[in-house]
Amino acid sequence: GAVVSQHPSRVICKSGTSVKIECRSLDFQATTMFWYRQFPKKSLMLMATSNEGSKATYEQGVEKDKFLINHASLTLSTLTVTSAHPEDSSFYICSASGDGLRSNLNTEAFFGQGTRLTVV
Amino acid sequence: DAKTTQPPSMDCAEGRAANLPCNHSTISGNEYVYWYRQIHSQGPQYIIHGLKNNETNEMASLIITEDRKSSTLILPHATLRDTAVYYCIVTTNAGKSTFGDGTTLTVKP
Repeated sequence: GAVVSQHPSRVICKSGTSVKIECRSLDFQATTMFWYRQFPKKSLMLMATSNEGSKATYEQGVEKDKFLINHASLTLSTLTVTSAHPEDSSFYICSASGDGLRSNLNTEAFFGQGTRLTVV
Repeated sequence: DAKTTQPPSMDCAEGRAANLPCNHSTISGNEYVYWYRQIHSQGPQYIIHGLKNNETNEMASLIITEDRKSSTLILPHATLRDTAVYYCIVTTNAGKSTFGDGTTLTVKP
């Protein structure tokens, strides 16, 4: 199947700093990618939908100024956690489905391996 | 996305079939049933999906009832590496999924 790669897999940062997480679709084009967050022993929660060439769509309760999303190309979306605080420590996961023109069809979705963020 | 209901946990003996149920009584006509699993500290792994017909691939089989209000994921010969949290999701867009609490499957030797 297709591969979605996230980088870094783990990051520790100081409180108040910003952290960027990259999500790449390695062998297919994705006009749409999705960002999730998962707290320990909890399920995944959708944070936002990342659209190539346009603004991201955020889920209710997710601060768009804190979680900056950029979808610069058909294979790369980035999530920047700005002014990170310890409560932002979590497992962040991205997903993508379809190719550039078929992202809304019901193909399987491919998830990245996740990024473990720890804010100290 | 329609809501799904899964048992919180199940056990299965190694080598036996694991049958994981999912209720999705409010599913609409254009929504697919997807199954993913998540092994600790990894991203979800796609297993299988279907609309109304039963499906089979190298990992599992998916049985969807005729009224589409429930489905069962079958792992035909469970191994210890199949221990994971299994998520049943109903959606029209595979990438945008609403995850419930899933079923924690423990395969025991």
